[in-house]
Amino acid sequence: QSVLTQPPSVSGAPGQRVTISCTGSSSNIGAGYDVHWYQQFPGRAPKLLIHGNSNRPSGVPDRFSGSKSGTSASLAITGLQAEDEADYYCQSYDSRLSAHVVFGGGTKLTVL
Amino acid sequence: EVQLVESGGGLVQPGRSLRLSCAASGFRFDDYAMHWVRQAPGKGLEWVSGISWNSGSIRYADSVKGRFTISRDNAKNSLFLQMNSLRTEDTALYYCAKKTLSVLSTSGYLNYWGQGTLVTVSS
Repeated sequence: QSVLTQPPSVSGAPGQRVTISCTGSSSNIGAGYDVHWYQQFPGRAPKLLIHGNSNRPSGVPDRFSGSKSGTSASLAITGLQAEDEADYYCQSYDSRLSAHVVFGGGTKLTVL
Repeated sequence: EVQLVESGGGLVQPGRSLRLSCAASGFRFDDYAMHWVRQAPGKGLEWVSGISWNSGSIRYADSVKGRFTISRDNAKNSLFLQMNSLRTEDTALYYCAKKTLSVLSTSGYLNYWGQGTLVTVSS
């Protein structure tokens, strides 16, 4: 059971927009801690996709965007492409747990 | 170019020990906190442990506390994870990851990851 809750899977057709939610609580996202997102392709290491809730590292297409409100955060992907098919993880911090760094359970994005 | 290369994984029996290493290059190693994150086969990411730039601050996940020890050698640009009393549930791909800050604060993020080293605990 992950501290941050993500849907196990989402899907969309090429060109569509999809969103992935990341729901936390008052001890993590709701406490004001930033949310970061990582993209992971099968057999590959995770790669930073969004940091500080909504900031894209250089090289990440602007089709990817992040937002945060209250105890939740969201990753949006517009103009869906086949190469976006991957697992996506949100990450934050938690003030109550000794587990300093907390991850969401991950969401498998399928491009139909 | 930042590179993180993990090594030391393998097949080990329950109750035995293993020491993982992570060789860092392409950045000033002693300026940054480092973390270990693991991923069991077919599962999600699980944070294991983190260490500040000078080893002054160290934290562990409850699942490994008392069994795993994180350490670093800044002179050799290396991060380590000593894993004792291994359990079958420790079976995972272990990644080392670089943080954007030097301290174990609730700020910053993991901006570079290694490719991982596989630890299999089985009799």
